[in-house]
Amino acid sequence: EVQLVESGGGLVQPGGSLRLSCGASGFTFSSYVMSWVRQAPGKGLEWVSGISGRGGSTYYADSVKGRFTISRDNSKTTLNLQMNSLRGEDTAVYYCAKAAGGGGGFYYGDWGRGTLVTVSS
Amino acid sequence: DIQMTQSPSTLSASVGDRVTITCRASQSVSRWLAWYQQKPGKAPKLLIYEVSSLESGVPSRFSGSGSATDFTLTISSLQPDDFATYYCQQYDTYPWTFGQGTKVEIK
Repeated sequence: EVQLVESGGGLVQPGGSLRLSCGASGFTFSSYVMSWVRQAPGKGLEWVSGISGRGGSTYYADSVKGRFTISRDNSKTTLNLQMNSLRGEDTAVYYCAKAAGGGGGFYYGDWGRGTLVTVSS
Repeated sequence: DIQMTQSPSTLSASVGDRVTITCRASQSVSRWLAWYQQKPGKAPKLLIYEVSSLESGVPSRFSGSGSATDFTLTISSLQPDDFATYYCQQYDTYPWTFGQGTKVEIK
């Protein structure tokens, strides 16, 4: 059974930093693209970032490019998201998601429960 | 970025009703369209991928159709467990984008 467990969320001041982690189990972690998807309170879903199986390719939404860094440790089956220069609009539940694909793109068949990031003074 | 627009934003229906949700893309996404169900406080759950392929374990009352820019999610007979918010997602062109959601409420 696939399990994805996020951690690291919390309250941070604007301009601050936070590092999210996602522990994965139940599948061959290194074989899958992984992503972060977020959801602001009462709002819809927004894809944030993705990383290839070996970690050599990374992708970011324009809204976080230059501020967030996605990484993975395949030996520890862990996905990370380093978030710097945080803004109020980054306040959201952040989900770790395992990608499944077709046509070169990815949808998400497995999701963690999410971790809440609140950016506020 | 490709914009995904769902309609309606909110839908009131009764148990047993046939329900249809529409998703329109700002440009063609071919067949690369998925649907998710989300309940309050929970992660999204994949229902359908590649327009009409049912994810394992999803009841057959859910179905998807469409192509290019216009897609529909149909629930043939609404059940109590189906009251939730539904999202479409395109995965044809990076960055992957979601619709704004359709909330299915009890009438």
